Amino acid sequence: SYVLTQPPSVSVAPGQTARITCGGNNIGRKSVYWYQQKPGQAPVLVVYDDSDRPSGIPERFSGSNSGNTATLTISGVEAGDEADFYCQVWDTSNDHLVFGGGTRLAVL
Amino acid sequence: QVQLVQSGPEVKKPGASVRVSCTASGYPFISFGISWVRQAPGKGLEWMGWISTYNGNTVYAQNLQGRVTMTTDTSTRAAYMDLRSLSSDDTAVYYCARDYGSGSPYYFDYWGQGTLVTVSS
Repeated sequence: SYVLTQPPSVSVAPGQTARITCGGNNIGRKSVYWYQQKPGQAPVLVVYDDSDRPSGIPERFSGSNSGNTATLTISGVEAGDEADFYCQVWDTSNDHLVFGGGTRLAVL
Repeated sequence: QVQLVQSGPEVKKPGASVRVSCTASGYPFISFGISWVRQAPGKGLEWMGWISTYNGNTVYAQNLQGRVTMTTDTSTRAAYMDLRSLSSDDTAVYYCARDYGSGSPYYFDYWGQGTLVTVSS
């Protein structure tokens, strides 16, 4: 089955740039989706189709995808960005939707 | 506005079954699928399966095949997830999500508030 690998945690100071990676075999050939989940809340879609933002999501959130790594980039990180972030793809080989293990973003 | 409202928390004994409902509003119900995702305490997200609200076609996660059934009722704009033979491993928050894919699973642009299912003897 297809596996998505995320770092367990990323730490960044306010105002800096956070980069959260999502590794998978030839993930650049798939469409990647990113969700933000704050404690006690349902996830929220922040990036779809690798790099598009839903309405209402700040421009500070951006995505890229190439080769074996997709990346969610958060510019000008704010304290309110602290959350768990999950990447997601559709594995066509196994007809299965896959989530990464999640990355906790800590704002120092 | 788009809303997905789920049924309340459940406590079940091992071996029992549970049904979680999800009622949608604010959009054409049959234009989007519904996926179910669960999250065990302190763990990540796990996709359980998808149902087409248009024709009832389903795609289930392989590890849940035979234990899960997803249905919809277009007259009430409701989706249902039934899970059988519960064990403590099924203790989790269960989410329904509007799936942008109407013909197959895709991604989730709106989520329900979650339903806590606790399995305990």
